[in-house]
Amino acid sequence: EAGVAQSPRYKIIEKRQSVAFWCNPISGHATLYWYQQILGQGPKLLIQFQNNGVVDDSQLPKDRFSAERLKGVDSTLKIQPAKLEDSAVYLCASTGVGGAINTGELFFGEGSRLTVL
Amino acid sequence: GDSVTQMEGPVTLSEEAFLTINCTYTATGYPSLFWYVQYPGEGLQLLLKATKADDKGSNKGFEATYRKETTSFHLEKGSVQVSDSAVYFCALSEGQAGTALIFGKGTTLSVSS
Repeated sequence: EAGVAQSPRYKIIEKRQSVAFWCNPISGHATLYWYQQILGQGPKLLIQFQNNGVVDDSQLPKDRFSAERLKGVDSTLKIQPAKLEDSAVYLCASTGVGGAINTGELFFGEGSRLTVL
Repeated sequence: GDSVTQMEGPVTLSEEAFLTINCTYTATGYPSLFWYVQYPGEGLQLLLKATKADDKGSNKGFEATYRKETTSFHLEKGSVQVSDSAVYFCALSEGQAGTALIFGKGTTLSVSS
């Protein structure tokens, strides 16, 4: 079974530029999450989707961050304009069918590392 | 709000030493508790979990017991190996299935031979 796919793995941009990250969850997983992991800290939830609807975006800085999951499968996270403090690893995770949804296990991608100069 | 507190790292051990990584939590209800591990160059993966008080999660020689009275979920292993070197995250999930995880800051473990 293929895991959660993310791209790009690495991105370096100047402040005030824009960037987009893509995530393809495990097939059949209805719930998708974007987390931000700043160096030395634990992952922090940015947004959670159930199919193509938003469940929780309370910690998403909506003045600069946006995310969509138009067809309930792939998702894109965008930052515009980027700030220095946005330097982090952006993790995508999914969960869904079977026992995983009942146990709360999330399946994570390898992450997209963003450096803002 | 809910939160997770882990012991500060890094933790440096020799092979075959005993490992404990402390984790305490704050929650309004009865959360499920998790340990995730991140090996170098890899994504986060579930190590073990416990869904109710007094449950013991175990995997790969690691164990953790859900202690409601002390709001703790400490990770232990009797004999660590070099291959256990990784970052360990304690996490909780409260509410219905699929609720997002809240993570601690992570503890880096380095095991030398």
